[in-house]
Amino acid sequence: GAGVSQSPSNKVTEKGKDVELRCDPISGHTALYWYRQSLGQGLEFLIYFQGNSAPDKSGLPSDRFSAERTGGSVSTLTIQRTQQEDSAVYLCASSVGTGSFSPLHFGNGTRLTVT
Amino acid sequence: GESVGLHLPTLSVQEGDNSIINCAYSNSASDYFIWYKQESGKGPQFIIDIRSNMDKRQGQRVTVLLNKTVKHLSLQIAATQPGDSAVYFCAENTGTSGTYKYIFGTGTRLKVLA
Repeated sequence: GAGVSQSPSNKVTEKGKDVELRCDPISGHTALYWYRQSLGQGLEFLIYFQGNSAPDKSGLPSDRFSAERTGGSVSTLTIQRTQQEDSAVYLCASSVGTGSFSPLHFGNGTRLTVT
Repeated sequence: GESVGLHLPTLSVQEGDNSIINCAYSNSASDYFIWYKQESGKGPQFIIDIRSNMDKRQGQRVTVLLNKTVKHLSLQIAATQPGDSAVYFCAENTGTSGTYKYIFGTGTRLKVLA
């Protein structure tokens, strides 16, 4: 596909369960970002991957959150022992890469609801 | 902490009028700025960007103005159309020191009145 693809588009889970969210970035984009957007709010940075460098995890809200990026392409965001406050839209974005002024291209997000 | 904010949470304009959405940023080291449009149920969509070595950039029906003196960014939409109704975010990025965390504000909702 031409754009950033995220799956699932919606996820409903029970409190305490683990969830995995997937992101397929645009082919050739070396930078990948995860953001969280709560209802009516702005975008909260979570984590950033650039090539083979160590990811910037400074935005992860707790150790229940983790992310990995395999082969420099697909990324998975994992939330363990989900809590109701984790309910939000999780957005993935990719860009050509750092070192150039390149905008982020976003997917349509995964809406996570923790019941 | 560093932040990007917006002056007006909601802006209502008549169809055909021009819209101006404002944004204040706080990091004087930021040298790259982007405007995004987000429609309900979708991810943010790139509209236009500007680097700090410019003070104005024009696209199709949109213009971004950057005033580094007062750390202010604005998005002007000419002849606003119903399809322009959405939430608009500005974002800043320092683009330096290998850290590229784009900072977003809470957004301004633009409502176009028929």
